[in-house]
Amino acid sequence: AQSVTQLDSHVSVSEGTPVLLRCNYSSSYSPSLFWYVQHPNKGLQLLLKYTSAATLVKGINGFEAEFKKSETSFHLTKPSAHMSDAAEYFCVVSHSGGYNKLIFGAGTRLAVHP
Amino acid sequence: DVKVTQSSRYLVKRTGEKVFLECVQDMDHENMFWYRQDPGLGLRLIYFSYDVKMKEKGDIPEGYSVSREKKERFSLILESASTNQTSMYLCASRDRDYSPLHFGNGTRLTVT
Repeated sequence: AQSVTQLDSHVSVSEGTPVLLRCNYSSSYSPSLFWYVQHPNKGLQLLLKYTSAATLVKGINGFEAEFKKSETSFHLTKPSAHMSDAAEYFCVVSHSGGYNKLIFGAGTRLAVHP
Repeated sequence: DVKVTQSSRYLVKRTGEKVFLECVQDMDHENMFWYRQDPGLGLRLIYFSYDVKMKEKGDIPEGYSVSREKKERFSLILESASTNQTSMYLCASRDRDYSPLHFGNGTRLTVT
C-alpha cells in the first residue's frame, strides 16, 4: 500500500540555522512528490514538486528537496531559517489514476526562534 | 498564477441548516476537490470532480453532497449541518494527474 510518513510532528530551529523536514514514502510505482506549506488560517501553498526529472528540486523561498529512490525519501531542506518560515509543512505523494492516489502526510509544524 | 477562490473565510451556522460552500478556479482545470482539515486527522478528501457534472466520493462523503454545473465552480453542500462538521474546509484544483494541487484559502465553518 502507498503511504507517506513525516518523521517529525514538530521541529524547532533558531533563525539563521538550517532546516530539515523529513518525509519517507512507500510506493510500487514512480511517484510524483510535493511539499506544501500552510500558514495559520490559510490554504496550502505549493513549495516544490518532483516529477521524475532532476532528483534535486528547488522550490520557492529558498527551499529544496532531494528525491532518493534507494531510501524512499524526499526530505525538505533550507540552509538558513527565517522567522516567516514558521508554518506547517505537508509532504504529498501522487500516483496516476485520479484523486484516490493523492496521499498527504500528517504534517510537520516548524517553529523558528529568534 | 492559478487562483482558487473560496467565497467565505468564516461561517457560523446552526445545527440543521443547509450550508453551501462555494469554490471557483480560474485556470480551466479539469479536476476539483473538497477536503476537510481537522487537528490530528490531517486532510481528508470529501468529494472529487473530474469534469462538469461528474463526481466521485472521497474518504468521508457522509453528510455532504457536491455540485459542478460549470467547469470553474465546485460547490460543497451540507444538507443538514451538524456540530461534527465544524472544521476547516479546503477547495483545490489541478490540471491533470501528476500536476500539483492549487488550494484556496479555506473556509472555517462553525456549526453551533
